[in-house]
Amino acid sequence: DTAVSQTPKYLVTQMGNDKSIKCEQNLGHDTMYWYKQDSKKFLKIMFSYNNKELIINETVPNRFSPKSPDKAHLNLHINSLELGDSAVYFCASSQDINTEAFFGQGTRLTVV
Amino acid sequence: LAKTTQPISMDSYEGQEVNITCSHNNIATNDYITWYQQFPSQGPRFIIQGYKTKVTNEVASLFIPADRKSSTLSLPRVSLSDTAVYYCLVKPRGYSTLTFGKGTMLLVSP
Repeated sequence: DTAVSQTPKYLVTQMGNDKSIKCEQNLGHDTMYWYKQDSKKFLKIMFSYNNKELIINETVPNRFSPKSPDKAHLNLHINSLELGDSAVYFCASSQDINTEAFFGQGTRLTVV
Repeated sequence: LAKTTQPISMDSYEGQEVNITCSHNNIATNDYITWYQQFPSQGPRFIIQGYKTKVTNEVASLFIPADRKSSTLSLPRVSLSDTAVYYCLVKPRGYSTLTFGKGTMLLVSP
């Protein structure tokens, strides 16, 4: 019974396309995140949501738009994909802003 | 946010105790020290968190000296499955996001 699940696990798409990555957590957590891990393995925060409200938005191009339909879901929509968007995207959740984060398995996005 | 410095890699053998030290000279009063583990093709997994002195759980121990400018993650009797990247993070209380550094790649050999 996966706590934080992301779909799809792999995504290969062409430049210029629009794609979405879905994330769901069944832990009852209030806070959800999106992180990006690039080819050099650096993990960086992209967005943080608390109770469906955006609380942190790091310097991410506005082609990236998170959407939280409810507390259990935080989806990531990416417009006009670029080669540099290729990375592994991790969704995570935590009970609140002070507690440990649980990460999903990641979505490997490859833009060709 | 306080910057962390930890060794890029470490090697060990099965059954040994492994200690990974992290320095965080600019740690603030409200900062916690947190360690995560990441296996290839998986998301990071929380290991342990502490504020001062010593914290122990079923997986590891975390030693934090009085000045809190460094911390040591101790893994008792490692096995091959402990081969992973270990991240030391400094997390301010009330601040939700995690700032990951380069981590330490631990390789456990038979």
